[in-house]
Amino acid sequence: QQPVQSPQAVILREGEDAVINCSSSKALYSVHWYRQKHGEAPVFLMILLKGGEQKGHEKISASFNEKKQQSSLYLTASQLSYSGTYFCGTEANQAGTALIFGKGTTLSVSS
Amino acid sequence: KAGVTQTPRYLIKTRGQQVTLSCSPISGHRSVSWYQQTPGQGLQFLFEYFSETQRNKGNFPGRFSGRQFSNSRSEMNVSTLELGDSALYLCASSLAGGFYGYTFGSGTRLTVV
Repeated sequence: QQPVQSPQAVILREGEDAVINCSSSKALYSVHWYRQKHGEAPVFLMILLKGGEQKGHEKISASFNEKKQQSSLYLTASQLSYSGTYFCGTEANQAGTALIFGKGTTLSVSS
Repeated sequence: KAGVTQTPRYLIKTRGQQVTLSCSPISGHRSVSWYQQTPGQGLQFLFEYFSETQRNKGNFPGRFSGRQFSNSRSEMNVSTLELGDSALYLCASSLAGGFYGYTFGSGTRLTVV
């Protein structure tokens, strides 16, 4: 079951904040976040595990609400380099399941 | 250390032909997953291999197949190509369980004419 991401697109000015959401109808074991820049491969940002804590990476952090099977990616004080498409990937709540990605959220940061 | 290597980078094939794509994972990574990426559809899961066994398969027709060798290198094959198979095919490798995330290759851009 493909997770649902929202919003589909975000336009920001440098220094502004954004939140990207990812929700699943299935019980989840983990949520991954990746960023893909145009013409490049997706790059791993972070993973959140069931029962784990909120993770952070520079000014990008994420949370995982197990009750709602939702994850949110927080981008604070955005920089031009944050532009790209953000994908969440989810693994269902059992060992050895595949990583299924949402359709992505395109983030554009301008100066 | 070397990243995930996919060959070839670009490929043009004719409808009805078949194609084989190759993926060499990061040394020590035993899991290899394949994804099809098209505009608007994001990353669609094809299949995942671990220690030469297919553990998971996505909702693609049987024309799409794959395999993994004992050195963890993987190949995917698409037979009887259709125009709709034109896409970027990405493979990603991970340590067992993906706890440290997946590392993607640069992909193979397949164009079917």
